[in-house]
Amino acid sequence: RKEVEQDPGPFNVPEGATVAFNCTYSNSASQSFFWYRQDCRKEPKLLMSVYSSGNEDGRFTAQLNRASQYISLLIRDSKLSDSATYLCVVREDTGRRALTFGSGTRLQVQP
Amino acid sequence: DARVTQTPRHKVTEMGQEVTMRCQPILGHNTVFWYRQTMMQGLELLAYFRNRAPLDDSGMPKDRFSAEMPDATLATLKIQPSEPRDSAVYFCASGLVTGVGTGELFFGEGSRLTVL
Repeated sequence: RKEVEQDPGPFNVPEGATVAFNCTYSNSASQSFFWYRQDCRKEPKLLMSVYSSGNEDGRFTAQLNRASQYISLLIRDSKLSDSATYLCVVREDTGRRALTFGSGTRLQVQP
Repeated sequence: DARVTQTPRHKVTEMGQEVTMRCQPILGHNTVFWYRQTMMQGLELLAYFRNRAPLDDSGMPKDRFSAEMPDATLATLKIQPSEPRDSAVYFCASGLVTGVGTGELFFGEGSRLTVL
């Protein structure tokens, strides 16, 4: 079983739609969580950190459920420019502190 | 605008040849990562340095891959001999990771390797 699992998609949604992605992680020692965005043939870039109480950044809302070991990302009022692959990332905050990336969920927003 | 710089951007080589990829991390960052990305496997961690010391290279095939940080401004990833299955995009990323750090990593644009 992979440490971080995501539905690869693609999620095809119309502009203006609300879309949500989930991600599950297997290592209960994971303490820090992030969403990265990767455009086609580009490098990943940090979209937002995920805090225990949940957090919002404009149209994006991230939630963490430690009991069930999953993280979610909600995008409201989707724009064409949101089309990308969204990578769920966890970090174990003991020892290595390396970031482990999920394989990503591809989103395609259509006009 | 500080950024991670990787060279080469593209490399096509023949099986058996040596390949060296280079990375200049952002000045002041204390951690450097090498990741490999393929369609099938996604982003895989190959090696990880903190303050130039190797912390983890368990994701790297030891018989052919080696990663080093000869100084704070240069990280290298070497494949010798290369094989077709090594074809992938290799990303270098740097960050400032502390006990309470955000963990944001800044990625280079990647080195796209094709081994024929």
